[in-house]
Amino acid sequence: QSALTQPASVSGSPGQSITVSCIGTSSDIGSHNIVSWYQQYPGKAPELVIYEVNNRPSGVSSRFSGSKSGNTASLTISGLQAEDEGDYYCCSYAGGSTLVFGGGTKVTVL
Amino acid sequence: EVQVVESGGGLVQPGGSLRLSCVDSGISFSSYWMHWVRQAPGKGLVWVSRINSDGSSTSYAGSVKGRFTVSRDNAKNTVYLEMNSLRAEDTAVYYCARQQLYNYYVMGVWGQGTTVTVSS
Repeated sequence: QSALTQPASVSGSPGQSITVSCIGTSSDIGSHNIVSWYQQYPGKAPELVIYEVNNRPSGVSSRFSGSKSGNTASLTISGLQAEDEGDYYCCSYAGGSTLVFGGGTKVTVL
Repeated sequence: EVQVVESGGGLVQPGGSLRLSCVDSGISFSSYWMHWVRQAPGKGLVWVSRINSDGSSTSYAGSVKGRFTVSRDNAKNTVYLEMNSLRAEDTAVYYCARQQLYNYYVMGVWGQGTTVTVSS
């Protein structure tokens, strides 16, 4: 199973909106709505920010939203804040009771 | 607050073995699926394995299939990852994660990780 494809980096100014894309195939993102996004700060464990394409866990800011179209999932961060700077990973069910992650995207707040 | 804590990492020679443990402090551990995810130095997250709530079903990434074995002891609130025939490319921080409530394939609670280094 090949990793999902994410841009290496995305940047934006405070207050702006950014979108991180995650490109998969018809065998993973395209076939299932089991797409999650995880935020990771340097040296820390990942944390869940979006699950089932567009659902936010309790405690996660409403500035985070997710969507999916065909084989591509997206994470949008609106009203970008300094605390949003970090690495973001998409993850999809890939069939056969397995999961696959994207390569990760470094989000920089300018 | 539910916590998971990994242990058992260390330095091992190529071809060697290591067993990682993950203790879950939650009261309903036996109801949850557990996952292992790894992250090589400076690299991204890679899903490694998962085990269902009673241990009767497991799955693995292709890169570790046949070498790694996941198991659990619900009486001890613990999940294990037995790693054999270790290679340099298995060097990584290994995270244990508990499924999110009602969602088997969503990792809702993560541990802080344990570091495995494969080197001679």
